[in-house]
Amino acid sequence: NAGVTQTPKFQVLKTGQSMTLQCAQDMNHNSMYWYRQDPGMGLRLIYYSASEGTTDKGEVPNGYNVSRLNKREFSLRLESAAPSQTSVYFCASSSGRGYEQYFGPGTRLTVT
Amino acid sequence: DAKTTQPNSMESNEEEPVHLPCNHSTISGTDYIHWYRQLPSQGPEYVIHGLTSNVNNRMASLAIAEDRKSSTLILHRATLRDAAVYYCILQIYNQGGKLIFGQGTELSVKP
Repeated sequence: NAGVTQTPKFQVLKTGQSMTLQCAQDMNHNSMYWYRQDPGMGLRLIYYSASEGTTDKGEVPNGYNVSRLNKREFSLRLESAAPSQTSVYFCASSSGRGYEQYFGPGTRLTVT
Repeated sequence: DAKTTQPNSMESNEEEPVHLPCNHSTISGTDYIHWYRQLPSQGPEYVIHGLTSNVNNRMASLAIAEDRKSSTLILHRATLRDAAVYYCILQIYNQGGKLIFGQGTELSVKP
């Protein structure tokens, strides 16, 4: 099992460009999550999907959109990137409430 | 949102037990207590979680206070590979099981 995979691993964008971060899990998990981590900080939840077909905002949703494409895949889109969105982005999945989350390796995004 | 409080850093000697404390006085009855750790340039790794009773697994033990307002992660014999940032996190059960991360405790292990 690959677990949680994320693409790309690194990305540099110019202000105003758009991009989509991809996440996939092969553990048949119901719930998926997107977090961001700024230097020296803990992770903050951007959006989550408790089950296929549903998405909800987390702590810091502004400037992002998500799509739960199917049970395996959960993508995060930046429509117009800003320097404040420079961060490391982690995707995670879980069987659901009360269960542990498994994290991907992260995408390091720099917006200049 | 429910929050946790941890010391910023702790030191341990190799092969000695480590007790990492966490306060979560605003925990609600359905919130789970999770612990994750993170090595540099890696994603967080699950360590252990529990609701009310103490829990043991191959990595660690979790001791939960009777009033659930605090907990302690116990690493029975620290190794150099245990040096990491340890996050004590409340999982908000009635909000899709989302995790609310704090600052974490940076654990260093001396040989």
